[in-house]
Amino acid sequence: DADVTQTPRNRITKTGKRIMLECSQTKGHDRMYWYRQDPGLGLRLIYYSFDVKDINKGEISDGYSVSRQAQAKFSLSLESAIPNQTALYFCATSDGDVGRYEQYFGPGTRLTVT
Amino acid sequence: EDQVTQSPEALRLQEGESSSLNCSYTVSGLRGLFWYRQDPGKGPEFLFTLYSAGEEKEKERLKATLTKKESFLHITAPKPEDSATYLCAAVQGGYQKVTFGTGTKLQVIP
Repeated sequence: DADVTQTPRNRITKTGKRIMLECSQTKGHDRMYWYRQDPGLGLRLIYYSFDVKDINKGEISDGYSVSRQAQAKFSLSLESAIPNQTALYFCATSDGDVGRYEQYFGPGTRLTVT
Repeated sequence: EDQVTQSPEALRLQEGESSSLNCSYTVSGLRGLFWYRQDPGKGPEFLFTLYSAGEEKEKERLKATLTKKESFLHITAPKPEDSATYLCAAVQGGYQKVTFGTGTKLQVIP
């Protein structure tokens, strides 16, 4: 079984709808991250969490919110989806400082906002 | 502003034709330089971490090197299964921010 799983894998939604993307991990890592990947822009950090009580904004957090329900679960919400949030979204975990420890990525969620 | 630039954007090689991918970074106080491989429809998969100029790491047909301004991923005698997008990422000391490059899409033709 995969160490980092994401649901759904694909989602099409309409402008203005609320949507939640979910991430679960079995690696036992405290640190979890949400990224989005756009063609020509690379991966950009949306939010990150060091533990259940520690959540931090990344470089592009506007329009997004997160919830860390447990050590193993980290959800990303789009309160009112807009077309420029169409992207590939990845959840990741790490065992410590990202400058020293690699990140483990989930398979991604392809989100389309029409 | 931290920047990571990868070149070329795309590279097509014949099987067995060695080459190098480039990753130039402008990150003050580099804490770590990472290479990942990404296959279509999948998340990035870790390959290497480099910490200081002069460091080298190898894995099968891949070797990563680091200088003060750039990193190279050398691919020796590539095989079709090496086809993927290779991502470079740099982390500045004291922060939890990872700056990713846009990747090099490698295609190895039999």
